[in-house]
Formats: sequence, C-alpha cells, structure tokens
Amino acid sequence: GAGVSQSPSNKVTEKGKDVELRCDPISGHTALYWYRQSLGQGLEFLIYFQGNSAPDKSGLPSDRFSAERTGGSVSTLTIQRTQQEDSAVYLCASSLLAGGGYTFGSGTRLTVV
Amino acid sequence: LAKTTQPISMDSYEGQEVNITCSHNNIATNDYITWYQQFPSQGPRFIIQGYKTKVTNEVASLFIPADRKSSTLSLPRVSLSDTAVYYCLVGIYNQGGKLIFGQGTELSVKP
Repeated sequence: GAGVSQSPSNKVTEKGKDVELRCDPISGHTALYWYRQSLGQGLEFLIYFQGNSAPDKSGLPSDRFSAERTGGSVSTLTIQRTQQEDSAVYLCASSLLAGGGYTFGSGTRLTVV
Repeated sequence: LAKTTQPISMDSYEGQEVNITCSHNNIATNDYITWYQQFPSQGPRFIIQGYKTKVTNEVASLFIPADRKSSTLSLPRVSLSDTAVYYCLVGIYNQGGKLIFGQGTELSVKP
C-alpha cells in the first residue's frame, strides 16, 4: 500500500483480556518495527523484524507481549492478559534496508479498563 | 547507541526561523542523524537526514558541524501548523537499525 496501515485505530478492552494489533507495512519494506507511546511520553522501542525473523526483541516489556510477521509483510502484536499499564498508542513503522527514513502508521490507541 | 539531548520545549511566533539543537557527543562513525516530526494522534514523520555539513530539503535544513557532536534543525518561517514535537535520532540506517527516540522538543508556534 501507499503507507503503513494499522488496525484497529482504537481498541478498548477489559483488564485480563487478550488483544491483537495489526500492522500492514509499505509493500517491499523488509524491516518492520513496533513502538509504544504512553500519554505525553516519547516512543519506546518494542521489537524489530527483518523479513519474518525478529533479530531484536529487547524492548518487549514482559512475556505477555509477543509479535509475529508472516510472508515478510503483515505483523501482529499480541498482548495477553492486558493490564491497565498497557494502555498506550502502539505504533508500527517500516523501512527499506537501503536507508532513508522510517514510515510510521497512525497507531492503535489501546485503552485497558 | 548514541544518546541525544535536546531542549524539552521551545516557543516561537509565526514567520520566525526556528533552530532546534541536538547534542550527541558519542555519535559513532557510521551513525546518521535524523529528525522526525510528530503531531498529536499521529505517528512520527521523517523530516530530514544527514551525515555531515548541511542538508536542505523543501521542509527544513540540517546543519552538522565537522565534529558531528551536535546538529541543528532549522525551520524557516514557521507557521501554526509547525506546532509539534521534534525528535533528533542517531543511528545506523543503512543496516536497518532500530531508532531510539528521546523525549523530543515540543515546539509551540504562536500567532
């Protein structure tokens, strides 16, 4: 597609439920990144994919968080047993390895009640 | 990964030139310097990237001194729509390296 697409744009869930967030990167972009941004804060790196593999998962805050990427394209970030502190905007970005800038999606605003 | 330091906030008026300076004292030889802009409820948007000296595009200019330990983003004749958070990042981009975002500079442009 023309840009990075994320869905849903907003998600309200009850504490303890599982959620899945989806990211559709720009076609042909081999690198994909997930970030989290809490209210009024900077961006926190979560995980990086190169193709379908994740060489860097260092930012995942706990084992409740996982992500996968299939076909070198769509990625899903899953949060199990959501907690209120998981409330944030989850941003996805993609890039070409050749350099240049990353393109971010508009994010998914997750609210855990 | 090189750490960056930039002012937390800046105020300006429409039509003025705004310069935001970022310090990155431990920048590595292979690191590039990139600036992003973020509006509320949107993801960051790439503005400009450089390695040394000066880079200019239709949006901004980036000045990098010879020692590369700092960089300055210059926004000419800002308007109200330039009100946003501006992030300075340092990293290796041609190897798909992850970006580490600091707190950014919140620019407020007033009429």
